[in-house]
Amino acid sequence: GENVEQHPSTLSVQEGDSAVIKCTYSDSASNYFPWYKQELGKGPQLIIDIRSNVGEKKDQRIAVTLNKTAKHFSLHITETQPEDSAVYFCAASNMVGNQFYFGTGTSLTVIP
Amino acid sequence: GAVVSQHPSWVICKSGTSVKIECRSLDFQATTMFWYRQFPKQSLMLMATSNEGSKATYEQGVEKDKFLINHASLTLSTLTVTSAHPEDSSFYICSAAGTSGTYEQYFGPGTRLTVT
Repeated sequence: GENVEQHPSTLSVQEGDSAVIKCTYSDSASNYFPWYKQELGKGPQLIIDIRSNVGEKKDQRIAVTLNKTAKHFSLHITETQPEDSAVYFCAASNMVGNQFYFGTGTSLTVIP
Repeated sequence: GAVVSQHPSWVICKSGTSVKIECRSLDFQATTMFWYRQFPKQSLMLMATSNEGSKATYEQGVEKDKFLINHASLTLSTLTVTSAHPEDSSFYICSAAGTSGTYEQYFGPGTRLTVT
């Protein structure tokens, strides 16, 4: 089955700096890679996703890059703000039964 | 975006009782719903996958007689924790996927279960 690894587990950045979170996956059949933001006591919220036919996708301060050959994808947050502080999860899916395989999460702290 | 609700948001029950958690897709029809369990500072652990009108598929190690899942309509799935024990205390989160062929999965806000 699919195995998704996520690094780092914790990340602290100064407000205004950039943050990068990286994930690797094992199953070459995976073709959909979403990123979720989870605030304390709440459910995960989809913030950006990318499909295997695209190498990069950007939405304002958030971008995701995908390298299918190396089987890794990354989340980039620029001009970080304190409200970006949360736990971020990556996931991979091959669309079989819509099942997602989640990374272990990254706790991001943006220091004002 | 698609909205998924869960009810209740938190519940405290006594050991030995049963608790039902509802998951609703509010503005789309969910052919597939998922139930996850999350321990503090850990990732989401998939418990089961349910498709409307059919029996749920449980992940290995999840007791189907303890965690009863019903997906009776395209907008509602329920998880019943039967004969709850303190070790069942956790954060339970559902998610919903739309019609076949779509990729996105939308999560509910979660239900905090505490068994005393």
